[in-house]
Amino acid sequence: DAKTTQPPSMDCAEGRAANLPCNHSTISGNEYVYWYRQIHSQGPQYIIHGLKNNETNEMASLIITEDRKSSTLILPHATLRDTAVYYCIATPPFGNEKLTFGTGTRLTIIP
Amino acid sequence: DAGVIQSPRHEVTEMGQEVTLRCKPISGHDYLFWYRQTMMRGLELLIYFNNNVPIDDSGMPEDRFSAKMPNASFSTLKIQPSEPRDSAVYFCASSLRKKETQYFGPGTRLLVL
Repeated sequence: DAKTTQPPSMDCAEGRAANLPCNHSTISGNEYVYWYRQIHSQGPQYIIHGLKNNETNEMASLIITEDRKSSTLILPHATLRDTAVYYCIATPPFGNEKLTFGTGTRLTIIP
Repeated sequence: DAGVIQSPRHEVTEMGQEVTLRCKPISGHDYLFWYRQTMMRGLELLIYFNNNVPIDDSGMPEDRFSAKMPNASFSTLKIQPSEPRDSAVYFCASSLRKKETQYFGPGTRLLVL
């Protein structure tokens, strides 16, 4: 799996868009970018994943740069329930089934 | 579907005792994963199964740890004998295929005294 780098912590005002960056400069052509989050005392929760096109679902949007060396997870209207640790993972979709979770970004939504 | 079910949710035991953690994956999922989470080491994959067969157990810390999946709807993680450094939250997750979305259970908080 390619190494990913995320800021250790971020704050965002409630109701604003939360933009969480992830650097994966060594990502290879077949590696997808996955995002999970872990709310305190709960198991990790899948958010979204993508290869090179931008993706959007009911939870978030994922913007991947054209060179695929970085990406941004966007929570369009952050709520207090979005306070969590967010993990960015770069990994191929087949073969090694492991997801290697790093230290993530601790996002705090401020009322 | 009820999601991934783990039991017990909390376990307190004394050093040297046997501990058994249980997991029921989401029906129809053919991958099952066991993770351990501590403050020091974060979230670590211990072992995973595909169609009830252990595929990779390289994350299992010691021979004191063992995992089984006797059928598609049940898996156990056993620690015998337990030690204080095994104290952690143990998560079970399942997925439909390969690295498709992994669905995590609520975890078992283990405290070994």
